[in-house]
Amino acid sequence: GESVGLHLPTLSVQEGDNSIINCAYSNSASDYFIWYKQESGKGPQFIIDIRSNMDKRQGQRVTVLLNKTVKHLSLQIAATQPGDSAVYFCAENTGANSKLTFGKGITLSVRP
Amino acid sequence: NAGVMQNPRHLVRRRGQEARLRCSPMKGHSHVYWYRQLPEEGLKFMVYLQKENIIDESGMPKERFSAEFPKEGPSILRIQQVVRGDSAAYFCASSPKTGVYEQYFGPGTRLTVT
Repeated sequence: GESVGLHLPTLSVQEGDNSIINCAYSNSASDYFIWYKQESGKGPQFIIDIRSNMDKRQGQRVTVLLNKTVKHLSLQIAATQPGDSAVYFCAENTGANSKLTFGKGITLSVRP
Repeated sequence: NAGVMQNPRHLVRRRGQEARLRCSPMKGHSHVYWYRQLPEEGLKFMVYLQKENIIDESGMPKERFSAEFPKEGPSILRIQQVVRGDSAAYFCASSPKTGVYEQYFGPGTRLTVT
């Protein structure tokens, strides 16, 4: 039969709990990273960014952690809300021209 | 303070027709990026333009696809002789300058080729 394509991995959390979304990036020379949130039918929305000379950055309810040793990026969302339900992508800046390379995305589903 | 604007939001074309997608960057932004997204996949870089210049087109298919960002007016992504495999969401992003600055995305154009 016809392939239906790949399904994105899903993280299901209870409303009010903290969420941790992980991402492994590929290029050790990447110097800038962004987390985007994408709701169905919309464009990616900037959440938070971090440069390679930092290992942690905090925003409102969100924290990004960068571990360059193992090329790992994580997004922590405190007190997850139903409005946080979306697909989350990490992106890395891989070149001088600032083009972004996106990860595959993770679906966050918040249970009421 | 309008964000990145794209039109049309939805575009249906028959195989062999041409598709033109438009992107107006945020006010004050002179750098435009085009990305393509297939269903349930991440975005893939296509091309990076500044006013009147193509800076990086390493993600553009070699045939049928072209992009421009004229001195006046929006950036245009043009797909000639569309095929079903071109069906995807096409997103435009803009930034104020190159380097490590965040890119702001538009709502996308969803192209369907029948």
